[in-house]
Amino acid sequence: GENVEQHPSTLSVQEGDSAVIKCTYSDSASNYFPWYKQELGKGPQLIIDIRSNVGEKKDQRIAVTLNKTAKHFSLHITETQPEDSAVYFCAASRTYKYIFGTGTRLKVLA
Amino acid sequence: EADIYQTPRYLVIGTGKKITLECSQTMGHDKMYWYQQDPGMELHLIHYSYGVNSTEKGDLSSESTVSRIRTEHFPLTLESARPSHTSQYLCASSEYGGRGDTQYFGPGTRLTVL
Repeated sequence: GENVEQHPSTLSVQEGDSAVIKCTYSDSASNYFPWYKQELGKGPQLIIDIRSNVGEKKDQRIAVTLNKTAKHFSLHITETQPEDSAVYFCAASRTYKYIFGTGTRLKVLA
Repeated sequence: EADIYQTPRYLVIGTGKKITLECSQTMGHDKMYWYQQDPGMELHLIHYSYGVNSTEKGDLSSESTVSRIRTEHFPLTLESARPSHTSQYLCASSEYGGRGDTQYFGPGTRLTVL
């Protein structure tokens, strides 16, 4: 069946460094790729998304890149801060249903 | 900021009890979803709804049931809770058209069945 692989499962970076999380999807018809941040005790919050007709999107310190040919997309966080520490999920979708990645626990060390 | 609410936030109950987890959204979204999140963080779709009087089972088999009588309300019910139902339950909604693909999540209900 369709799946999304997400790596790494855990990531520790020093404050101020960059963090990169990568996802690979199997359904070539996927056309929408959101990223969510989940803090402890809260529901996932959308932080950035990209559609299949765009290769890159940026919002302040966060950027997402999409390579449709290789079927992978990545989240880039620059100048990381302690408040970036959370679990991050990628997802791929071509209809209303999402296929989620397995999550990445990011720790930003002060 | 998404206006989607879940109650209760935390629930501890004994085996065999009937429970209903509430989910409401004020955005007028037609689609709503229930996910179960295991301790390993993975999100599993257990139910979804296209709109009023529409409900479908998700990818993960669940003993829970749902109803959609009003657009804004999508409760999940367990007729007889068991320890295996202990989990985090997340509700989400999305709209048709516009940013129709984007799902907005509630804060979740953490259920513990003793």
